[in-house]
Amino acid sequence: NAGVTQTPKFQVLKTGQSMTLQCAQDMNHNSMYWYRQDPGMGLRLIYYSASEGTTDKGEVPNGYNVSRLNKREFSLRLESAAPSQTSVYFCASKDPGDTEAFFGQGTRLTVV
Amino acid sequence: AQRVTQPEKLLSVFKGAPVELKCNYSYSGSPELFWYVQYSRQRLQLLLRHISRESIKGFTADLNKGETSFHLKKPFAQEEDSAMYYCALRVDTGRRALTFGSGTRLQVQP
Repeated sequence: NAGVTQTPKFQVLKTGQSMTLQCAQDMNHNSMYWYRQDPGMGLRLIYYSASEGTTDKGEVPNGYNVSRLNKREFSLRLESAAPSQTSVYFCASKDPGDTEAFFGQGTRLTVV
Repeated sequence: AQRVTQPEKLLSVFKGAPVELKCNYSYSGSPELFWYVQYSRQRLQLLLRHISRESIKGFTADLNKGETSFHLKKPFAQEEDSAMYYCALRVDTGRRALTFGSGTRLQVQP
């Protein structure tokens, strides 16, 4: 009964390093999302994917890329990390007809 | 663009006291409104949605289109209600992603 699984849970990067945050869901959902959560700002949408092979920018896409290689997995890549990308990142998934979105446990990323 | 405002960062009440967490939104159409909750060390999860008009864990929320509000209420707070609460909105176009408020931390003291 995993739901939405994110890896890693914690990560510290140096400025300029790259990394990929992984997200997988086992609920056969079509739509997947990446959000970032910053203090005092709630969650903001970075990218989303309506279905396998499609992606689109959200509210704060700069500095990120995504890949939706199959229905289960939606990864978020930071090519050159910056301190401004220090945040908690959440992946979510839902079916088009479902009102509820299911969230992963989050990845706490610190860029020094 | 749509927007969700939660004016209180922190709400502290005593056990047994009534609770009201405020949420206002701006959107010209007819959005779906939700309350999500994040307990300590747990993932964000749906608490309730306006279309269901249900009561979950004693919480209710009524959509007031005239005041563009969706306040969350509970008549008698319990210590286990302590958590971070997010109001969220979804519009019926495009990506159908959630737009979140900045959240309110509810602290229920014994």
